[in-house]
Amino acid sequence: QLQLQESGPGLVKPSETLSLTCAVSGGSISSSAYFWGWFRQSPGKGLEWIGSIYYRGSTHYNPSLKSRVTISVDTSKNQFALKLSSVTAADTAVYYCARIEGLWFGDLLKYNWFDPWGQGTLVTVSS
Amino acid sequence: QSVLTQPPSASGTPGQRVTISCSGSSSNIGSNTVNWYQQLPGTAPKLLIYNNNQRPSGVPDRFSGSKSGTSASLAISGLHSEDEADYYCVAWDDSLNGPVFGGGTKLTVL
Repeated sequence: QLQLQESGPGLVKPSETLSLTCAVSGGSISSSAYFWGWFRQSPGKGLEWIGSIYYRGSTHYNPSLKSRVTISVDTSKNQFALKLSSVTAADTAVYYCARIEGLWFGDLLKYNWFDPWGQGTLVTVSS
Repeated sequence: QSVLTQPPSASGTPGQRVTISCSGSSSNIGSNTVNWYQQLPGTAPKLLIYNNNQRPSGVPDRFSGSKSGTSASLAISGLHSEDEADYYCVAWDDSLNGPVFGGGTKLTVL
């Protein structure tokens, strides 16, 4: 079955760029039916959507993070990546990737469910 | 502060029925479907209910969802100890143009 696996450094210094990769196995990232997203969960807090990408490269970011986020896709490697710049301690969190079902209403796209999720990776921002 | 409002905690004894509420507005729950996720301790979230009341394959029918107006509910009947987890509601928000989460409800099985 489809599986997602996050990877990347567990420790990032303040003001630097956080970089993570999500490898997709058991299915193709180039499926036309789905989008691929990044989420995070700060220690002891709830979940937050960071942004998403379609296999053709179109992206959609959370407005609160948009100025610092870049998501890219590599279909040849069946993976997608997250970069979050100028990190601070507030960006310390467990980062998850997940498959997203998108629903089209004419030209309007909305996301429906997120499934499956990767196991998550803890990224700590500290000097 | 989360866009969708959930009670921070809920509890019940084995065999009991518990419900978890999720309150939103016309721009999210009022005009879009609600999905629920279960997060067991130390694990990633898992899709539990989608499209307000549908269960993915493998989810026991003890779990059910409903929606009315700008609110939704998750019900768990015949509570099991392994149901102890955090539960999150999520819906698309037309104003924010993105998905919004509830703050999560920690369910304790006494």
